[in-house]
Amino acid sequence: EDQVTQSPEALRLQEGESSSLNCSYTVSGLRGLFWYRQDPGKGPEFLFTLYSAGEEKEKERLKATLTKKESFLHITAPKPEDSATYLCAVQEWENNNAGNMLTFGGGTRLMVKP
Amino acid sequence: DAGVTQSPTHLIKTRGQQVTLRCSPKSGHDTVSWYQQALGQGPQFIFQYYEEEERQRGNFPDRFSGHQFPNYSSELNVNALLLGDSALYLCASASGRAREQYFGPGTRLTVT
Repeated sequence: EDQVTQSPEALRLQEGESSSLNCSYTVSGLRGLFWYRQDPGKGPEFLFTLYSAGEEKEKERLKATLTKKESFLHITAPKPEDSATYLCAVQEWENNNAGNMLTFGGGTRLMVKP
Repeated sequence: DAGVTQSPTHLIKTRGQQVTLRCSPKSGHDTVSWYQQALGQGPQFIFQYYEEEERQRGNFPDRFSGHQFPNYSSELNVNALLLGDSALYLCASASGRAREQYFGPGTRLTVT
């Protein structure tokens, strides 16, 4: 059974204090690993897709990396507006013509103080 | 370019009632998935519709059913509501079997 675990559950940073969020996963065959940002009471906002180990993607202060067992979301010099819940999800290769469901972790709640 | 839209925004129902939630996919998308997100947890997959048929289903009881219309919009129906059905219901759309899914703002359902 697919499993996605995110750590830490919550993270408090001072503005400018860089850190990393972890997403560990177990799937039979990874079709894609996705990072989303979610603000309170809103739907998840797509950030990145990673397809294979060694791949990296960057967007402003965020950088996502992928290994065979885990992904990291690195946040460089964060600002208060980066405060949100960051969700990791995996998609598995299907043998039949089934869909492309996402299996999510529990999320990391990031708070950046000025 | 309109993103994924959902209605209503908020809904309050009584235990035992039935509810219908609606979703319009992002322009150019033909696949719609529904997720349930309890407070403080990650979203859980309910089911996915493509070409007006349920293509994949998560671990949810038959009380949860859906439909997709020829214009690709979708409905989620929940019968015999339980207190535990209170959650944020999210709709996500994609193009065919493309990997990326884009989410709507969600419908907050409260069952009392």
